[in-house]
Amino acid sequence: GAGVSQSPSNKVTEKGKDVELRCDPISGHTALYWYRQSLGQGLEFLIYFQGNSAPDKSGLPSDRFSAERTGGSVSTLTIQRTQQEDSAVYLCASSLRVAPDTQYFGPGTRLTVL
Amino acid sequence: EDQVTQSPEALRLQEGESSSLNCSYTVSGLRGLFWYRQDPGKGPEFLFTLYSAGEEKEKERLKATLTKKESFLHITAPKPEDSATYLCAVQGGGTASKLTFGTGTRLQVTL
Repeated sequence: GAGVSQSPSNKVTEKGKDVELRCDPISGHTALYWYRQSLGQGLEFLIYFQGNSAPDKSGLPSDRFSAERTGGSVSTLTIQRTQQEDSAVYLCASSLRVAPDTQYFGPGTRLTVL
Repeated sequence: EDQVTQSPEALRLQEGESSSLNCSYTVSGLRGLFWYRQDPGKGPEFLFTLYSAGEEKEKERLKATLTKKESFLHITAPKPEDSATYLCAVQGGGTASKLTFGTGTRLQVTL
């Protein structure tokens, strides 16, 4: 079946602009996660959704970052007033249910802030 | 706070030369330990989930084992197509569902 999809695959933006990253989870998966992978660093948790609610936002690095999920499916991660340190690969994952359960990852969105 | 340390950072093997990758972890109430493979420019691909000490899982040339402090990914007679970064992650107890990842082991298998 179809896996997790993300769009765009690449995004180049100028410092100070807002960007939106989209994630389509595996159909039927109730939990959805966002992670960030910076060069030379491990994957860093940002936020997770159970249905349309976000019980854990502890990984969002600043109030410039926000996310929402609608219809228990698609999620959008928004970064306002982008900074160069926001450059990274943003990965989305979904799981059938909340922990313990396997998370399946999408291909990621590579964000470059000039 | 959950912590994961992987070693070595990089490993170069010849085809057929077996070896092991290490993942040491500290976690409050382990709910799962996960191994993923990541190829350049792609998202992590799921390999194994281990839930309790003593558990072992196998898939082709890979075998994952778990103790109370660490996990090993054993690679038997590797092939060049096994070249990738292997990531280890833990899911801890409490209400958190996030994965805490190590920085990975970059494996290169040469002919």
